[in-house]
Amino acid sequence: DTAVSQTPKYLVTQMGNDKSIKCEQNLGHDTMYWYKQDSKKFLKIMFSYNNKELIINETVPNRFSPKSPDKAHLNLHINSLELGDSAVYFCASSQGPRTGELFFGEGSRLTVL
Amino acid sequence: AQTVTQSQPEMSVQEAETVTLSCTYDTSESNYYLFWYKQPPSRQMILVIRQEAYKQQNATENRFSVNFQKAAKSFSLKISDSQLGDTAMYFCASTNSNSGYALNFGKGTSLLVTP
Repeated sequence: DTAVSQTPKYLVTQMGNDKSIKCEQNLGHDTMYWYKQDSKKFLKIMFSYNNKELIINETVPNRFSPKSPDKAHLNLHINSLELGDSAVYFCASSQGPRTGELFFGEGSRLTVL
Repeated sequence: AQTVTQSQPEMSVQEAETVTLSCTYDTSESNYYLFWYKQPPSRQMILVIRQEAYKQQNATENRFSVNFQKAAKSFSLKISDSQLGDTAMYFCASTNSNSGYALNFGKGTSLLVTP
């Protein structure tokens, strides 16, 4: 039973298209995150939600829009995809101050052609 | 803002030997957490070890241990009796309440364990 699950795992699409990545966690955590891992493997925080409320919104193009329908789900929608959006996107959840540990999904590899 | 620095982009170690991965961090917070995560070729992010800043005792998890030097803001990872399955990217990370407990990662160290 996967703790943090993302779909799809792989996504290949053309420039200019719109795509979404879904994330669900069954750990009962209040906080969820989206990270982007670039081609050099660097992991950078994009967004964070706590109980459906946006608490972190790093410098990300507004083509990226997160949505949290409830605290177990955090989806990422990307409009007008560009070549530079090609990356692996990780969803994660956290217990917050209790341990600080993040639990990661398996990642979604997005390739923009 | 917190910054995490890993100065070794790549390292190599022979099976059964010991290797140490370096990490330094910069924070103005008094309470924070430090982590080492492992990312094998499967790309899954796996927690290796965790240290709470207020605890002076170095964390250990089986073959993995840390050398936490709070004054020097250093948090190195020692892997003993290296195994082929330890081959992976290793990321050092820090977090605290001001960051909403989002992890700030270093750039990673690619570790290769050779037979």
